[in-house]
Amino acid sequence: EVQLVESGGGLVQPGGSLRVSCAASGFIFSSYWMTWVRQAPGKGLEWVANIKEDGSEKNYVDSVKGRFTISRDNAKNSLFLQIDSLRAEDTAVYYCARSGSEIDYWGQGTLVTVSS
Amino acid sequence: DIQMTQSPSSLSASVGDRVTITCRASQGISSWLAWYQQKPEKAPKSLIYDASSLQSGVPSRFSGSGSGTEFTLTISSLQPEDFATYYCQQYNSYPRTFGGGTKVEIK
Repeated sequence: EVQLVESGGGLVQPGGSLRVSCAASGFIFSSYWMTWVRQAPGKGLEWVANIKEDGSEKNYVDSVKGRFTISRDNAKNSLFLQIDSLRAEDTAVYYCARSGSEIDYWGQGTLVTVSS
Repeated sequence: DIQMTQSPSSLSASVGDRVTITCRASQGISSWLAWYQQKPEKAPKSLIYDASSLQSGVPSRFSGSGSGTEFTLTISSLQPEDFATYYCQQYNSYPRTFGGGTKVEIK
């Protein structure tokens, strides 16, 4: 059974940093692109970033370029999102997702709240 | 960026009704479109990929069609567990983009 479990969310002050993680199991992690999607409270889904199987290619939505860094550790079946220079508008549930082209499995999400 | 526009933004329907949701892309995306279902306070669930292929385990009352710029998600006979918000997403180009969502409510 594919499982994706996010962790690392929390309350952070504007300008701060946070690293959210995703532990994957039930599939060959190193064979899949992985994706982060976020959802602000009461809003729709926003694609944030994805990373190739071996980490050699990364893509980001413009609004996070230069502030967010996606990475992975295939030896530990883990996906990460380093979030720097946090803004109020980054407040959201962050979902980890397995993707080929489309997303097929989603984690349960971790809430990041940016507030002073 | 490719803009994805869903209509309607919400609808009310009864159990057993046929429901159709439309998703339009601002430029052609071939068949690189997925549909997701999200229930309140839950993670999204993947329903359809490549515009018309059902993900494993998704009931056959769900179907998708379209190519280019216009796509539809159809629920042939709405069931109580289908009341949720539905999103389309294009994966033709970066950044991947989602539609704004269609909330399906009980009439």
